[in-house]
Amino acid sequence: DVKVTQSSRYLVKRTGEKVFLECVQDMDHENMFWYRQDPGLGLRLIYFSYDVKMKEKGDIPEGYSVSREKKERFSLILESASTNQTSMYLCASSFMVGIKPADEQYFGPGTRLTVT
Amino acid sequence: AQTVTQSQPEMSVQEAETVTLSCTYDTSESDYYLFWYKQPPSRQMILVIRQEAYKQQNATENRFSVNFQKAAKSFSLKISDSQLGDAAMYFCAYEMDSSYKLIFGSGTRLLVRP
Repeated sequence: DVKVTQSSRYLVKRTGEKVFLECVQDMDHENMFWYRQDPGLGLRLIYFSYDVKMKEKGDIPEGYSVSREKKERFSLILESASTNQTSMYLCASSFMVGIKPADEQYFGPGTRLTVT
Repeated sequence: AQTVTQSQPEMSVQEAETVTLSCTYDTSESDYYLFWYKQPPSRQMILVIRQEAYKQQNATENRFSVNFQKAAKSFSLKISDSQLGDAAMYFCAYEMDSSYKLIFGSGTRLLVRP
């Protein structure tokens, strides 16, 4: 079974803190993603990575950065946490595009981040 | 830009009955993929069913089937013989061919009444 794990289920941080969210997958997937999930908005893509040290901005990258030093690990960094970054953060992974049919994304359990 | 719309924030169904969740999307592409994902309470999101736009036949997975209307840009999910374990948030998602980015709808919460 594919496993995508996230370092924390719940996290409470103060405004201005630097926050690291970690994601690890064990299926040798090339692609990894970070989403933010908010009620009524669905999931919105923050960043994705298609290879080690490669990254691309998603739809809402402002206030976030990412790091992928190893294939199995993808980190989301909030440089200076703000209250409007309180949300559920989901990590996902998938095989590289080009394998048809479009491969599904496998999701982690999510990290509910509260910034006070 | 591609968009995905789920107009039903919440749906309710009696156990053993059938329910249909709606999804519409907007795209100018001809080749793409559509997905329904399920997110049970406090559990990980999983894929329910997927549809390739170039296939006319509607996808089915056991009790789950889709009604794919390409011209109308509609992609509804039908759940037959609903079970208590079907209670979850359901998200419709779109992926353009040669892309690995999913665009999600806002989700529909499905309640199953015993």
